[in-house]
Amino acid sequence: DAGVTQSPTHLIKTRGQQVTLRCSPKSGHDTVSWYQQALGQGPQFIFQYYEEEERQRGNFPDRFSGHQFPNYSSELNVNALLLGDSALYLCASSLRSAGGSTDTQYFGPGTRLTVL
Amino acid sequence: DQQVKQNSPSLSVQEGRISILNCDYTNSMFDYFLWYKKYPAEGPTFLISISSIKDKNEDGRFTVFLNKSAKHLSLHIVPSQPGDSAVYFCAARLFSGGYNKLIFGAGTRLAVHP
Repeated sequence: DAGVTQSPTHLIKTRGQQVTLRCSPKSGHDTVSWYQQALGQGPQFIFQYYEEEERQRGNFPDRFSGHQFPNYSSELNVNALLLGDSALYLCASSLRSAGGSTDTQYFGPGTRLTVL
Repeated sequence: DQQVKQNSPSLSVQEGRISILNCDYTNSMFDYFLWYKKYPAEGPTFLISISSIKDKNEDGRFTVFLNKSAKHLSLHIVPSQPGDSAVYFCAARLFSGGYNKLIFGAGTRLAVHP
């Protein structure tokens, strides 16, 4: 049973560029959340996708956008990259229950983004 | 506004002894608390969780205690093993508008030495 996978593993971009990160959820999961982990900090919630729509959003600017596909996989897009966007980007998947809450979130290995 | 705090950035424990990792929170609306373990170059791995209506949950060597009145939780690892050396994150789940998100602390680096 494959867990959460993310690609690419590492990425180097320059300021002003745009980047797309990809995530495939754990088998059976339908909800994908994205987190940004800066050095020495805990993961910070960016947004969550369910049924191909953004359902919740953290305190991140509109430069951060996403998408979820019918097979539940997801992309995170960041436009106009800043030096401060350098971080580990984590994808987490979970299964939404009938009551609305989601099961435990399981994380992928992350994509290390460096902005020069 | 840091709603989940792990005030100890690091902890060193001898193999076989107890490791106690602490976490404080401020938001009374959190409904679940989780602990994740993270090794370098890997994503966080779920360890154990506790509902806000419980005060203790145990899974093998790992026990989480929740003190709602103090808004404090702790993770006990007994006995500690060298393989437990990792960064431990406390996370709290906030359920609102039909969806939930996790809010993490900054982590505590645990080193278990022989």
